[in-house]
Amino acid sequence: NAGVTQTPKFRILKIGQSMTLQCTQDMNHNYMYWYRQDPGMGLKLIYYSVGAGITDKGEVPNGYNVSRSTTEDFPLRLELAAPSQTSVYFCASSQRSGGVNIQYFGAGTRLSVL
Amino acid sequence: GNSVTQMEGPVTLSEEAFLTINCTYTATGYPSLFWYVQYPGEGLQLLLKATKADDKGSNKGFEATYRKETTSFHLEKGSVQVSDSAVYFCALSWGTNAGKSTFGDGTTLTVKP
Repeated sequence: NAGVTQTPKFRILKIGQSMTLQCTQDMNHNYMYWYRQDPGMGLKLIYYSVGAGITDKGEVPNGYNVSRSTTEDFPLRLELAAPSQTSVYFCASSQRSGGVNIQYFGAGTRLSVL
Repeated sequence: GNSVTQMEGPVTLSEEAFLTINCTYTATGYPSLFWYVQYPGEGLQLLLKATKADDKGSNKGFEATYRKETTSFHLEKGSVQVSDSAVYFCALSWGTNAGKSTFGDGTTLTVKP
């Protein structure tokens, strides 16, 4: 059971570069999310999706873009990377069951922008 | 708005000590409450949950009771082990609203032998 898979695990970017963080899940979940986790802080929601073709902004969407062309994949795009985007990024998925949504997380991508 | 407040860490305990990590929440209605655990270098994983008032969630010796009257969901364990060293996150969610969750800032627990 792979669950939620994120690639890459680590990345160093220069200011102004762009990159795509990949996320795929094999649980056929409708809902997917991108979070960032800054040191000593909780998770902040960047974008989320309720199904293929549907995405919406979370708390901190500026500087990021997403797409959801399939149920399985939910890539996060960083354009013009800035030092403020140095963080650990987590992708998660969930499905409502019995009135409850439990989120399943990937192992994270640690990004440094220098 | 919705929010989750956890006791500030870090928390350092000796093996076999009693653990309490406090969590209180602010929300409209009756959300589901969760504790997630994050081991070093990994993503978060569900530790336990409770979906209605007075429910007790339990797993791996950890327990938490959904207290509506005090809007709290404190995490407890009677005897911690070194392997319990991790970051613990309290969270709330509704079954609607795309299952979005609100997380606390996390509490780092270190257990020393």
